[in-house]
Amino acid sequence: NAGVTQTPKFRILKIGQSMTLQCAQDMNHNYMYWYRQDPGMGLKLIYYSVGAGITDKGEVPNGYNVSRSTTEDFPLRLELAAPSQTSVYFCAAGYSGNTIYFGEGSWLTVV
Amino acid sequence: QKEVEQDPGPLSVPEGAIVSLNCTYSNSAFQYFMWYRQYSRKGPELLMYTYSSGNKEDGRFTAQVDKSSKYISLFIRDSQPSDSATYLCAMVGGAQKLVFGQGTRLTINP
Repeated sequence: NAGVTQTPKFRILKIGQSMTLQCAQDMNHNYMYWYRQDPGMGLKLIYYSVGAGITDKGEVPNGYNVSRSTTEDFPLRLELAAPSQTSVYFCAAGYSGNTIYFGEGSWLTVV
Repeated sequence: QKEVEQDPGPLSVPEGAIVSLNCTYSNSAFQYFMWYRQYSRKGPELLMYTYSSGNKEDGRFTAQVDKSSKYISLFIRDSQPSDSATYLCAMVGGAQKLVFGQGTRLTINP
């Protein structure tokens, strides 16, 4: 996967805790996305950004926040973690809307 | 109604068969159409993208778009066991949001 790095790869959170999933890209791409993927399901868009300083909600934004202070970084913040947020999270980046590349994923379990 | 509909399968075919994967969509604003392949516990990998009606070929893979019917397809010729994966269609509209289908789980049996 071209130049999209996600950390951490695995994390266990207790209900009510908060954390930030980090996403960095080294391709100078404008577009960045956060998705979640539940078992056997497709990807659901949480938030996306078309450039530094610009973010917008996707299909399932509740319980999450993002910021885009630089082109390279697009962190996803989980506030007051709930079991429903147990999922695999993917960050993606692209130069245009049609060539978008994904990171390897972050596996999150809320117990 | 979901913006993008994709049969989740699973789909199981013998090695060497031609595989046909399909998606339908409802949003006429979609401009770009992509196919991703996802292996277990990995991120989606971009296979192909198209932006106009018609066919686009890349090796054993052919992507087909019919905008009048709001229908896209991916054909895999001479399928191999290494093609076993989940295939996701995805589409982009004017707001640059990338919307995915549910994914079809494909198994190629040796």
